[in-house]
Amino acid sequence: AQKVTQAQTEISVVEKEDVTLDCVYETRDTTYYLFWYKQPPSGELVFLIRRNSFDEQNEISGRYSWNFQKSTSSFNFTITASQVVDSAVYFCALSETGANSKLTFGKGITLSVRP
Amino acid sequence: DAMVIQNPRYQVTQFGKPVTLSCSQTLNHNVMYWYQQKSSQAPKLLFHYYDKDFNNEADTPDNFQSRRPNTSFCFLDIRSPGLGDAAMYLCATSRGRIVDQPQHFGDGTRLSIL
Repeated sequence: AQKVTQAQTEISVVEKEDVTLDCVYETRDTTYYLFWYKQPPSGELVFLIRRNSFDEQNEISGRYSWNFQKSTSSFNFTITASQVVDSAVYFCALSETGANSKLTFGKGITLSVRP
Repeated sequence: DAMVIQNPRYQVTQFGKPVTLSCSQTLNHNVMYWYQQKSSQAPKLLFHYYDKDFNNEADTPDNFQSRRPNTSFCFLDIRSPGLGDAAMYLCATSRGRIVDQPQHFGDGTRLSIL
């Protein structure tokens, strides 16, 4: 069965600090997809990134970067020079192939960025 | 802008009184999902529609039902809400099957039970 572990529950940083959110996953599939979503206080889940299991290339988008390592089953998310607007709950999620596939979320990490 | 719209944002109902939450989308996506999210927890999938094909999660209570009259609209019906059903309900859509398509979420409806 697929599983996503986000061991950190709450992180608090001061603005402009870098912060890394950890995500470890378990799956028996060789083909799968990993996602990160952001949930600000307003409630909607905002899609940030998708990565398939065959693409281990790291990705950078502005202040956001993602490090995917199959060897350690991790898909970590780093925010560089954090800002107050980054305060939110961040979910890592996994989907496997197959007829009964669904998106499995981790428990989420609450990030608070203080001015 | 194309989007997923949930109405209302906040819904209050009485214990045992049926309630319907609505979701509409302008993305013309095939798949629509309903999630339940309780405080400080991850979203939990209740069911989804692939076009008119309904897929219920095994652990979704019978109290929860859904309707999708057309591509754009999907409804969540709670027949007899209990106190434990108080939660945020999220609607999402995706272009195709779950596997590789990102899901686009609405703002959610926060349901309170009196």
